[in-house]
Amino acid sequence: DAKTTQPTSMDCAEGRAANLPCNHSTISGNEYVYWYRQIHSQGPQYIIHGLKNNETNEMASLIITEDRKSSTLILPHATLRDTAVYYCIVRVFSGGKLIFGQGTELSVKP
Amino acid sequence: SAVISQKPSRDICQRGTSLTIQCQVDSQVTMMFWYRQQPGQSLTLIATANQGSEATYESGFVIDKFPISRPNLTFSTLTVSNMSPEDSSIYLCSGQGLETQYFGPGTRLLVL
Repeated sequence: DAKTTQPTSMDCAEGRAANLPCNHSTISGNEYVYWYRQIHSQGPQYIIHGLKNNETNEMASLIITEDRKSSTLILPHATLRDTAVYYCIVRVFSGGKLIFGQGTELSVKP
Repeated sequence: SAVISQKPSRDICQRGTSLTIQCQVDSQVTMMFWYRQQPGQSLTLIATANQGSEATYESGFVIDKFPISRPNLTFSTLTVSNMSPEDSSIYLCSGQGLETQYFGPGTRLLVL
């Protein structure tokens, strides 16, 4: 599985957009980009995934660069409840193992 | 989406004893996994639980220490054997649904 690189921590003001970057320069053609988050003391929560097109759901948007070597998760209007560790993971679709890196600790501040 | 429950939610155990953690999924999943999260760390995959056959362990994890069962498509157990304080962690169960992987709330284990 390809590895990812994320900043260790980020801050965001409440109500503003949170943009979380992820580098995955060794991603293979059949690997998807998945984003999960883990709020303190809870199990990881699925957010969104994509292959090469930008994706949007009720939680977030995922922007993948044309060369697929990096992506950005966007939380359009961050709230205090979005404070969590965000994990960017690449793997084949619906199979294989989710291998977690260290993630980005996002702090949303009033 | 699948809802995953774990029992117990937490436990305090004495060194040298064993604890079995149960994982129940409310719908069929293709694959089930067990993870460990040590204090302040990310999740580490222990093994893939295979229905009706031996689990597939990741490097650094062995069956004698972490025996796993999966008797059917919606249930699995993980046993932490001969525990030491270094086994104090959160243990998480996960199941692969149609498009994504779902996680249980975790079992918080403290070994004294």
